[in-house]
Amino acid sequence: AQSVTQPDIHITVSEGASLELRCNYSYGATPYLFWYVQSPGQGLQLLLKYFSGDTLVQGIKGFEAEFKRSQSSFNLRKPSVHWSDAAEYFCAVGTTGTASKLTFGTGTRLQVTL
Amino acid sequence: GAGVSQSPSNKVTEKGKDVELRCDPISGHTALYWYRQSLGQGLEFLIYFQGNSAPDKSGLPSDRFSAERTGGSVSTLTIQRTQQEDSAVYLCASSRDRMHEQYFGPGTRLTVT
Repeated sequence: AQSVTQPDIHITVSEGASLELRCNYSYGATPYLFWYVQSPGQGLQLLLKYFSGDTLVQGIKGFEAEFKRSQSSFNLRKPSVHWSDAAEYFCAVGTTGTASKLTFGTGTRLQVTL
Repeated sequence: GAGVSQSPSNKVTEKGKDVELRCDPISGHTALYWYRQSLGQGLEFLIYFQGNSAPDKSGLPSDRFSAERTGGSVSTLTIQRTQQEDSAVYLCASSRDRMHEQYFGPGTRLTVT
């Protein structure tokens, strides 16, 4: 069975600073990988996805993520954080050859200081 | 276009009562999913529909939970004889099919008193 680890429960960064949120997955085959963001009281918004091909994927709101098979990682990055990026971020992996039945990490709460 | 909608947004019920949660997927999306988000368990998969059939019900926690989908569109998640541990946010998502990304609704916050 697949699993996802987000080792950082809470991260604080200053506005304008760069950001990297870590995600490690456990899965036997090539995974489908996702990053979602959740603002308080809201549902999940898809930031970006990796299915195949280029290992560096671009998403919305200036986010990008890099798939590294050798490290089983799919870290999320943003070069300059805005105060509105404060939210909870979830990494997820899909089941074999599909994007169904997502398994989520426990989330990383991002706080942005002004 | 319109996203996934869920109703009600909040539901407070007494222990032992039945509740129904509704999900309206994005038009044309054939796949529909239910997840549960709680403080103790995080985000958990409950059930997956392809059309009106549910090939994967593996996440339903007990036989008190059931779901159906009609007309390949609206889905209802029913919890019978609610317990306090059922308190959570229930999220619905839809996708074009199981090979594509899922789009989530705003969720229904269920509180069992």
